[in-house]
Amino acid sequence: GQNIDQPTEMTATEGAIVQINCTYQTSGFNGLFWYQQHAGEAPTFLSYNVLDGLEEKGRFSSFLSRSKGYSYLLLKELQMKDSASYLCAVRRSGGYNKLIFGAGTRLAVHP
Amino acid sequence: GAVVSQHPSRVICKSGTSVKIECRSLDFQATTMFWYRQFPKQSLMLMATSNEGSKATYEQGVEKDKFLINHASLTLSTLTVTSAHPEDSSFYICSARDGTRGRPYEQYFGPGTRLTVT
Repeated sequence: GQNIDQPTEMTATEGAIVQINCTYQTSGFNGLFWYQQHAGEAPTFLSYNVLDGLEEKGRFSSFLSRSKGYSYLLLKELQMKDSASYLCAVRRSGGYNKLIFGAGTRLAVHP
Repeated sequence: GAVVSQHPSRVICKSGTSVKIECRSLDFQATTMFWYRQFPKQSLMLMATSNEGSKATYEQGVEKDKFLINHASLTLSTLTVTSAHPEDSSFYICSARDGTRGRPYEQYFGPGTRLTVT
C-alpha cells in the first residue's frame, strides 16, 4: 500500500520561516517531489530529492530521509505570494515514473 | 521550455453529453502523458497514464469506457469524458514527461481544465 501524510493547514507570518513536513509509506520509492499550487492553477515544480539530505534552492529547501520515510519543505523569508497549497509527491519505481500525491498543505501567510 | 497547454480551460456541459479535453506539449515530445483529477480542497488523483501509440493504463477504480484517452502523437493526448454526470465535475490536469532531455523524471503540468456538468 501507499500512504502520504501532510498537515492540512498551516499559517505563518510574512518574513518568517515555515517547515512543512511529509511522511510517506510506499513500496518502490524512487524520489520525492514538492510542488506549489495556487487555487485553480496547475502545480509548479519546487524540488526533487532522491538521496538523503538537504537540497537548497533560493528561499526554498527540501530535505529527505529515506530510512525514516520523511521529508520537509522549508520556506524562508516568507512573502504573501507564498500563500498556496504545497503538495508532497512520491515517485514510484517501475515504468512511467508515476507520482502519488499527498493531500497537500494549505499555507496562509499573514502580514 | 517544457510548456504544456490544455484546452479548453473551462467547460460547462449538460448531463449525458461528452466532453473532450486536449493536452499538448508545445516545445518537446512527450513520450508519456498523465491525466489527473482534483476535487476541491483535495489532492491530485492519477487517473491514467498514456504512451504515444499505445493504449492508456488506467488506475484502479477509473472507468476506461467512461474516460477515453487517446495519445495519438508525441505532442497531443486527449481525454474524453463520456456521458458526463454532475459528479464528474472536477478540475482535470494533464502532465507530460520529456524522455529526450534534461530531467526525464520530471513531469510538466498543464494549466488544468475546469469541467462543470449541469
